[in-house]
Amino acid sequence: DAKTTQPTSMDCAEGRAANLPCNHSTISGNEYVYWYRQIHSQGPQYIIHGLKNNETNEMASLIITEDRKSSTLILPHATLRDTAVYYCIVRAIYNQGGKLIFGQGTELSVKP
Amino acid sequence: NAGVMQNPRHLVRRRGQEARLRCSPMKGHSHVYWYRQLPEEGLKFMVYLQKENIIDESGMPKERFSAEFPKEGPSILRIQQVVRGDSAAYFCASSLENYNEQFFGPGTRLTVL
Repeated sequence: DAKTTQPTSMDCAEGRAANLPCNHSTISGNEYVYWYRQIHSQGPQYIIHGLKNNETNEMASLIITEDRKSSTLILPHATLRDTAVYYCIVRAIYNQGGKLIFGQGTELSVKP
Repeated sequence: NAGVMQNPRHLVRRRGQEARLRCSPMKGHSHVYWYRQLPEEGLKFMVYLQKENIIDESGMPKERFSAEFPKEGPSILRIQQVVRGDSAAYFCASSLENYNEQFFGPGTRLTVL
């Protein structure tokens, strides 16, 4: 699986959009981009994933560049409860191994 | 639909004892994954099981650790003769198929005295 690069930490004001970038310049054509987050010491929480089209669900939006070398997770109206470590992971389609490879992630702090 | 369940949530063992961690996947999920998070470190994959079969155990320590996912009942991660370095949070995840998103349980926090 390809490696990803994320900023170590970011701040965001409550109520504003949080835009979390991720670089995955070595991503291959059969790899999805997944986002998870871990709030404090809880179990990681699935957020969203995509292949090449932009995706949106009730939690967030995922914008993937046309060349697929980078992506941005957008939390449209961040709340204090969105403070967490956010992980960007690339993972092959039909990955027989199944495993997720977590990097260090971005520690997002949402401030009042 | 209940999420992934893990028990116990907290487990204290003395050095040399055995630790058994249980994971019940989401209903209908037959793929189970175990991850470990050492204090102040990231999440590391340990093992991937699909009903009665170990598919990938590339992240499992070579000794003292084993995992199973029987036809009936929860998946079990077993650590024999625990040492202080085994103190960590152990998370279980499940998925519908191996290429679907994984849903995580709340974790078991193991403390070895």
